[in-house]
Amino acid sequence: GDSVTQMEGPVTLSEEAFLTINCTYTATGYPSLFWYVQYPGEGLQLLLKATKADDKGSNKGFEATYRKETTSFHLEKGSVQVSDSAVYFCALILNSGGYQKVTFGTGTKLQVIP
Amino acid sequence: DSGVTQTPKHLITATGQRVTLRCSPRSGDLSVYWYQQSLDQGLQFLIQYYNGEERAKGNILERFSAQQFPDLHSELNLSSLELGDSALYFCASSVTGGIQYFGAGTRLSVL
Repeated sequence: GDSVTQMEGPVTLSEEAFLTINCTYTATGYPSLFWYVQYPGEGLQLLLKATKADDKGSNKGFEATYRKETTSFHLEKGSVQVSDSAVYFCALILNSGGYQKVTFGTGTKLQVIP
Repeated sequence: DSGVTQTPKHLITATGQRVTLRCSPRSGDLSVYWYQQSLDQGLQFLIQYYNGEERAKGNILERFSAQQFPDLHSELNLSSLELGDSALYFCASSVTGGIQYFGAGTRLSVL
């Protein structure tokens, strides 16, 4: 079946460090890929998305590129801030039987220290 | 604000009891999803409804059930509660199953 694998956390970085959170997927077909973010005490929010191979999604300084050859969608940010501390979820959406099925990764917790 | 409303925000109850969690989706969204988030198991998909009909089932226990009403709001019923059911329960909605918009969640504590 479809699956999303994320690197285990927590990831702890100092402010202004470079961030990479790895995400790889397995899917039959051509999924759309997403990153969601969950700040403490809140629900998940869409951070960015990419709908086809080689697309780059970006938002709030975060970027991720849809790499079909390596089935990956790694999240990157050049300089993290304390306010980026949150849990990040990678997800894919695939058309299945006439509707779209969502699969989430297990989440990666990011802690940014001043 | 995602536009998805969940009530109540917090719920404290005892083992063996039954509770109902409510979700109002974004205006125009036909799909509603329920998730359970616990510390040790991450985000677990429970069930999806589309326009009143069950569309997909995930790791939902038999003690749990859900429904979506004609006005598209949804309820998740949890019965014979156990300590291990303590978790955050999220509802999400989408137009046709694409990008999901999440509510703020209901925190359930079973004592």
